[in-house]
Amino acid sequence: AQSVTQLDSHVSVSEGTPVLLRCNYSSSYSPSLFWYVQHPNKGLQLLLKYTSAATLVKGINGFEAEFKKSETSFHLTKPSAHMSDAAEYFCVVSGLVRAGNMLTFGGGTRLMVKP
Amino acid sequence: GAGVSQSPRYKVAKRGQDVALRCDPISGHVSLFWYQQALGQGPEFLTYFQNEAQLDKSGLPSDRFFAERPEGSVSTLKIQRTQKEDSAVYLCASSFSTGGTGNTIYFGEGSWLTVV
Repeated sequence: AQSVTQLDSHVSVSEGTPVLLRCNYSSSYSPSLFWYVQHPNKGLQLLLKYTSAATLVKGINGFEAEFKKSETSFHLTKPSAHMSDAAEYFCVVSGLVRAGNMLTFGGGTRLMVKP
Repeated sequence: GAGVSQSPRYKVAKRGQDVALRCDPISGHVSLFWYQQALGQGPEFLTYFQNEAQLDKSGLPSDRFFAERPEGSVSTLKIQRTQKEDSAVYLCASSFSTGGTGNTIYFGEGSWLTVV
């Protein structure tokens, strides 16, 4: 079985300050992990993915995430928030629990950025 | 097309009506997924196709839900006798291959279904 827990349903930061969105996972396999972003009325966009190469993964728009196996975590960070970062963020684990590389989503974290 | 395309983008159905939601995956993508996203929640898996074969439909919530992909390209999700609890965004996604958990999966913008 696999599951994902996003520890904060809402995060509020001021523009220009760091962003930290927390994610813990469980998986019976060596997982692949992803972060997706969803802007209002828009589709899911891939920010970054971890697939057992480097543990520090860099994504688009200045985001990065670090895979820590000992902590079963995959937290998303950005040094300086921008107003356009306000959106819903999903931590996702992929595993061959059934046919195909099915994705299991966390509950999401809504990031709010204050001017 | 350049991305996964879904239609209609928005659908309002009266309770009891049947609806059909269409997905055009990225050309050449073998794998196709349907997800359901209720308001304020993360997407949940419904069903998976590899080409025209429906290999997993364990996430379909009831026998009112039916999906097909007859020629291994376009897929249709059909909901019969819609109920209010079916109100959600239905997301279609596709990926190029079937193997490996690290394949990038691309999502469409979703079909927003409201049952009144």
